[in-house]
Amino acid sequence: RKEVEQDPGPFNVPEGATVAFNCTYSNSASQSFFWYRQDCRKEPKLLMSVYSSGNEDGRFTAQLNRASQYISLLIRDSKLSDSATYLCVVRGYGQNFVFGPGTRLSVLP
Amino acid sequence: NAGVTQTPKFQVLKTGQSMTLQCAQDMNHNSMYWYRQDPGMGLRLIYYSASEGTTDKGEVPNGYNVSRLNKREFSLRLESAAPSQTSVYFCAIRGGGRSYNEQFFGPGTRLTVL
Repeated sequence: RKEVEQDPGPFNVPEGATVAFNCTYSNSASQSFFWYRQDCRKEPKLLMSVYSSGNEDGRFTAQLNRASQYISLLIRDSKLSDSATYLCVVRGYGQNFVFGPGTRLSVLP
Repeated sequence: NAGVTQTPKFQVLKTGQSMTLQCAQDMNHNSMYWYRQDPGMGLRLIYYSASEGTTDKGEVPNGYNVSRLNKREFSLRLESAAPSQTSVYFCAIRGGGRSYNEQFFGPGTRLTVL
């Protein structure tokens, strides 16, 4: 089993739609959780960290369920510019970052 | 302030050839990383360096060597390239202070081994 797994995608949604991505991790000792965004043929960039209480940044909401070892990302009112691959990333204390395979999103006009 | 730079951007090698991928940062951070990204596999850690003069193996170190001669630069060497090393290679640093848990990536090197 991969250490970090994500919805296989791709997700094709119309502009204005709400879309949710799911991620599960196997290492219960993981301490830090993130969503990164990667545009086509570009480097990954941090989208947002994920906190236990859940957190929101504009149209983006991230949730963490430690008991189920599950992370989610919700995008509301999708824009064309949201088209990208979304990477789930976890890190244990003093450990390296482990990346999921990513879920590709295409927002269609 | 360029952040993390990588050279070259593209490279085509023949099987058995050697090359070094260069990475440099101007953010004065200690931790540096080399990843490879293959379709459907996500980013996999090849080697990392917690500080100048130290290096450690990651998930997929076979066929690679690294060198961290100073705080700014971290190079990745392929001694005898194989087609299985065709990939996109990213160098990254880990931030400090409030960005302690954030990684900043270079633009990547697209390598093809024939």
